[in-house]
Amino acid sequence: GENVEQHPSTLSVQEGDSAVIKCTYSDSASNYFPWYKQELGKRPQLIIDIRSNVGEKKDQRIAVTLNKTAKHFSLHITETQPEDSAVYFCAATSFFGNEKLTFGTGTRLTIIP
Amino acid sequence: NAGVTQTPKFQVLKTGQSMTLQCAQDMNHEYMSWYRQDPGMGLRLIHYSVGAGITDQGEVPNGYNVSRSTTEDFPLRLLSAAPSQTSVYFCASSYLTGNEKLFFGSGTQLSVL
Repeated sequence: GENVEQHPSTLSVQEGDSAVIKCTYSDSASNYFPWYKQELGKRPQLIIDIRSNVGEKKDQRIAVTLNKTAKHFSLHITETQPEDSAVYFCAATSFFGNEKLTFGTGTRLTIIP
Repeated sequence: NAGVTQTPKFQVLKTGQSMTLQCAQDMNHEYMSWYRQDPGMGLRLIHYSVGAGITDQGEVPNGYNVSRSTTEDFPLRLLSAAPSQTSVYFCASSYLTGNEKLFFGSGTQLSVL
């Protein structure tokens, strides 16, 4: 099955700086890669996702890049703000015939004011 | 719409007891799933369903049963609770497949003594 590795497990950045979280996956058939944000005590919520037919996707201060050859994808948060503090999870699954979304182990992002 | 509703929010069991975690969604979603969240291990898929009458195993199915008799409901049964099942459980649903935005419930904190 799919295996998703996520790094780093914790990340602290100064407010206003950028944060980058990286994930690798093992199944070359995977073609859907979402990112979820989980604030303390809350449920995970989708913040951005990308499919394998594109290499990059942006939504305001958040971007995701995908390198299918290397089987890795990354989350980029620019101009970080205190409300970006949360745990972020990457995930991967195959679009066809596989309904099993596999999550990474999470990155705890702390924004230092 | 209430979205995805999970009950109970908290539960304490003794080893060997059985119980059912309830999950209901009012969005007419075909896909429903159960995850457990443990520190440092991310979200791991227990069971999932792609429609009424259809269920399948995820990554960590042992000790859990599910059924999907209606589109709205997807209960998770612990047959004989063990301390290793102490975790936070999330139910999640999406419109059609596991390869699109998941809507999570608020979670159930389960402790098995």
